[in-house]
Amino acid sequence: GESVGLHLPTLSVQEGDNSIINCAYSNSASDYFIWYKQESGKGPQFIIDIRSNMDKRQGQRVTVLLNKTVKHLSLQIAATQPGDSAVYFCAENVGAGGTSYGKLTFGQGTILTVHP
Amino acid sequence: GAVVSQHPSRVICKSGTSVKIECRSLDFQATTMFWYRQFPKQSLMLMATSNEGSKATYEQGVEKDKFLINHASLTLSTLTVTSAHPEDSSFYICSARQGPNTEAFFGQGTRLTVV
Repeated sequence: GESVGLHLPTLSVQEGDNSIINCAYSNSASDYFIWYKQESGKGPQFIIDIRSNMDKRQGQRVTVLLNKTVKHLSLQIAATQPGDSAVYFCAENVGAGGTSYGKLTFGQGTILTVHP
Repeated sequence: GAVVSQHPSRVICKSGTSVKIECRSLDFQATTMFWYRQFPKQSLMLMATSNEGSKATYEQGVEKDKFLINHASLTLSTLTVTSAHPEDSSFYICSARQGPNTEAFFGQGTRLTVV
């Protein structure tokens, strides 16, 4: 299914705080998930990914959690910085590793604003 | 890392004219490219999947005669918006992957404004 929002949710945090951005995905057959950061007027920038056989993956300052039971994905950003201000999208992929790899369904997005 | 470039980054065209957007993979050969559209304050929506040397596969609700996609080489796919109207104004983004088991990389997007 498609997840398109007319009004993106927003999250405002202070610099140095931890941020948690949530995403509900739509397809129980999805087996690969990606978080993207998108700055104004630019294309999506890869942050971190996770496969459906995992429930947690950590990167530098970021952690992705996957709960397949409730079809929920979260992105945790530690020590959030003003440069993290952007729109964050989750994306799901059905059939990753096959011919559908890269054919993504995007979530609605969340606007993160980090105040100095 | 893999680089995908779109051209132009911004374009303004008159209603009724056609405009072509290019998506190039600069340092790899892309067997598949994907075209997305993003309206202001909304998410990206997949329009079509383009495989080199074959016809594009369009998502439901996307008019193939209006959005012409050509993927004639392994490094270039083009999206032509024909007879553009103001409601076609949007941010068009492509992604490209080398093969079925590789991730797709995004271009920087093209802002189309139809006046």
